[in-house]
This record gives sequence, structure tokens and C-alpha cells, in this order.
Amino acid sequence: EDQVTQSPEALRLQEGESSSLNCSYTVSGLRGLFWYRQDPGKGPEFLFTLYSAGEEKEKERLKATLTKKESFLHITAPKPEDSATYLCAVRGNRDDKIIFGKGTRLHILP
Amino acid sequence: GAVVSQHPSRVICKSGTSVKIECRSLDFQATTMFWYRQFPKQSLMLMATSNEGSKATYEQGVEKDKFLINHASLTLSTLTVTSAHPEDSSFYICSARPDMGGEQYFGPGTRLTVT
Repeated sequence: EDQVTQSPEALRLQEGESSSLNCSYTVSGLRGLFWYRQDPGKGPEFLFTLYSAGEEKEKERLKATLTKKESFLHITAPKPEDSATYLCAVRGNRDDKIIFGKGTRLHILP
Repeated sequence: GAVVSQHPSRVICKSGTSVKIECRSLDFQATTMFWYRQFPKQSLMLMATSNEGSKATYEQGVEKDKFLINHASLTLSTLTVTSAHPEDSSFYICSARPDMGGEQYFGPGTRLTVT
């Protein structure tokens, strides 16, 4: 069964304090690992798609990396506006669905 | 690009009535649309997958007669919650995908409250 586990559940950082969020996955034939950002009361906002181990993508203060078992979302010198829940999801070759993790609630203190 | 809208953003209805939620892809054609439900501080739960012009595929445990999904065109899908009850109160989010196997883009969500 395809599965996604995110850690930590919640993370509080001071502004400027860099850190990483983890997404561990098991999937039959990875056809994409996705990162989304979700603000309270809003729908998820697409950030990145990674397809193969070794791939990296960057957007502003965020950088996503992928290995055969996990993905990291690195956040460099975060600002309070980066506070949100970050969701990881995978699509395997079993079917067309993407499976979401429970997310990491990130809070950046000014 | 890749904008998905939902309407209404919030709706309050009385128990026993039906509510329709619209999901539109504004700048692309969506071959597939998805409907999710999200409880507070929980992740997204897939309810059903719909392809334009065909019947929706519902996830196990989701009542297809209660949650009616219509994907009438490549830019519009609707979810109708029939005979709503307080336990149907939740945050409903739709998602659209322009290409097979590509990214999914999400709408802003609809907060349904059944009194």
C-alpha cells in the first residue's frame, strides 16, 4: 500500500532559522512526488514536482530534494510569511490518485 | 496560470436540504477533476475522481448517492451534497489536472456548515 509520512508534525522556528521538513514514502513505481503549501482555510498551493532520485527544485527560500525513500523541503532563512502547513504527496503506478501525508505545520516567529 | 476556482466559498444550509458546489478550471482544460474533504488539522481525503463525460469513481466508504458529481465539461465539475446532515459539515476542496500524470491544482475550498 502506498504511504506518505511527514515529520515533524509541527515546527516552530525563529525568523532566519533554516531547517528541513521530511517526507518519507513507500510507493509502487513513483510517478511523481509533490509538495504543496496550505494556508488556514485555503486550498493547497502547488510548489514542486519531483520525479526521480537526485532531482532538486528551488523556489525563493524553498528547495525540495528527492531520494529513493524520502524527500526534504529545505527552508532557508524563513520569514513569518512562510508560516503554513506543508503537504507532501506521491503518485504511484498503481492508479491515478495522489496520496497525501498529514502535513507539517510550520510557524515562523518574527 | 493553472487557476482553479470554487463557488461558493462558504455555505450554510439546513439539515435535509441539498447544496451544489462548483469547481472551474479558469485557464486550462481539465481532463480529470478530483473532490476532497478535509477535517480540521487533518490531511485531504479523496472522495472521488471524475473524467469529463463519464461517471465519477468514488473512494471506498463515500456514498455516491449522497455526493453527486457531474463533470459536464473540460472546465467544470460540480459536487452536490444531497439531503445534507450536520455530519456533512466540512471543508470541500476540488482539484483539476490538465495532463495525465501531471500536477494537480487545487481550488480555494468551500466551507459547508449544515445546521
